[in-house]
Amino acid sequence: AQSVTQPDIHITVSEGASLELRCNYSYGATPYLFWYVQSPGQGLQLLLKYFSGDTLVQGIKGFEAEFKRSQSSFNLRKPSVHWSDAAEYFCAVGAGGGFKTIFGAGTRLFVKA
Amino acid sequence: DTGVSQDPRHKITKRGQNVTFRCDPISEHNRLYWYRQTLGQGPEFLTYFQNEAQLEKSRLLSDRFSAERPKGSFSTLEIQRTEQGDSAMYLCASSLTGGGPSYKETQYFGPGTRLLVL
Repeated sequence: AQSVTQPDIHITVSEGASLELRCNYSYGATPYLFWYVQSPGQGLQLLLKYFSGDTLVQGIKGFEAEFKRSQSSFNLRKPSVHWSDAAEYFCAVGAGGGFKTIFGAGTRLFVKA
Repeated sequence: DTGVSQDPRHKITKRGQNVTFRCDPISEHNRLYWYRQTLGQGPEFLTYFQNEAQLEKSRLLSDRFSAERPKGSFSTLEIQRTEQGDSAMYLCASSLTGGGPSYKETQYFGPGTRLLVL
């Protein structure tokens, strides 16, 4: 069955430090992968997506993610975190023909001054 | 492009009451999805429409839940005889499909309706 695992429930980084959020997926075919961000009480905003091609994808707000098929991973990175990046981040995979997106449980990012 | 909107943003109700939520998708989007998100979890798929047709329902969607999209535009999600376990954030998303495999679509989410059942 398709699944997404985000191993870190929460992460704390200092403002200006680099960030990497981990995501591992289980999917039988070529996955279609997404990262969304959710601020408290808000809906989800799409950060970036991977469908095919270049395994390093660029997103909004300075985020990027790298698809590694051999590791079944799609980790999200940012070189320098800003306080406004504090939020919950969800990795997701398009599944079941694509229309059912399956989400991980999320990683909450805390940013300290 | 005004994005996906949902109404109300918050709803408090007593157990046993019925509630209805509305979702207005991005105007040209032909697919509309409902998800439920409980605290500390990612969204879970409930159901989706392509135009006005409801094409799939999750086993999470009990008989007390019904969704409609009568004219292929906005959608409503009704919960009858609410239970405390229905307390959650209900998220709506929409997408546009065209040629090619459907799993290349990208879903855009609304702000959600937070339901609290007392």
